[in-house]
Amino acid sequence: GEDVEQSLFLSVREGDSSVINCTYTDSSSTYLYWYKQEPGAGLQLLTYIFSNMDMKQDQRLTVLLNKKDKHLSLRIADTQTGDSAIYFCAVANDNQAGTALIFGKGTTLSVSS
Amino acid sequence: DAMVIQNPRYQVTQFGKPVTLSCSQTLNHNVMYWYQQKSSQAPKLLFHYYDKDFNNEADTPDNFQSRRPNTSFCFLDIRSPGLGDAAMYLCATTAAQGYEQFFGPGTRLTVL
Repeated sequence: GEDVEQSLFLSVREGDSSVINCTYTDSSSTYLYWYKQEPGAGLQLLTYIFSNMDMKQDQRLTVLLNKKDKHLSLRIADTQTGDSAIYFCAVANDNQAGTALIFGKGTTLSVSS
Repeated sequence: DAMVIQNPRYQVTQFGKPVTLSCSQTLNHNVMYWYQQKSSQAPKLLFHYYDKDFNNEADTPDNFQSRRPNTSFCFLDIRSPGLGDAAMYLCATTAAQGYEQFFGPGTRLTVL
């Protein structure tokens, strides 16, 4: 089955850029998502990208997709202390309602001032 | 605001004592999901409802059941909780033609 891998920890200084990486195994993954989870809270969808796109930018967030290498990244520009959270990469091979999202284990982003 | 609500936020139960977790949504979405997230692990789908149709993931233990009495509510029943069932349980919803899953805040279950 699909396997999604992420590095577990990333530490950056406030104002720097953060890059969180994700790799997946199923080349038919069509919908790719980044979710943010703050302590004690549920998952919040940050952004998403479809497999027919290479890049998507949304304010401070930039998502890059390399389909050949099955690699997804999330770049957060001008990282703030409020960005400290766990970031989950998730993929799905279609958008039919009921399709399971396959999540990575999450990357804990720590931002120091 | 329209949202996904989970109650309680924290639930403590005893080994083997049945427990029910609740999820409600004001989004009027067709699909409701239950995910299990163990400590430092990825959320894992247990099952979902598409309207009244129940869909179980192949590796979901029989100990876990679900009920959806109406569009707004969905319940997760754990018949005989074991220590290994301690986790965060996340409810999510999506519209029939949507691709975004909206998550609730989760219920953290402790089994003593």
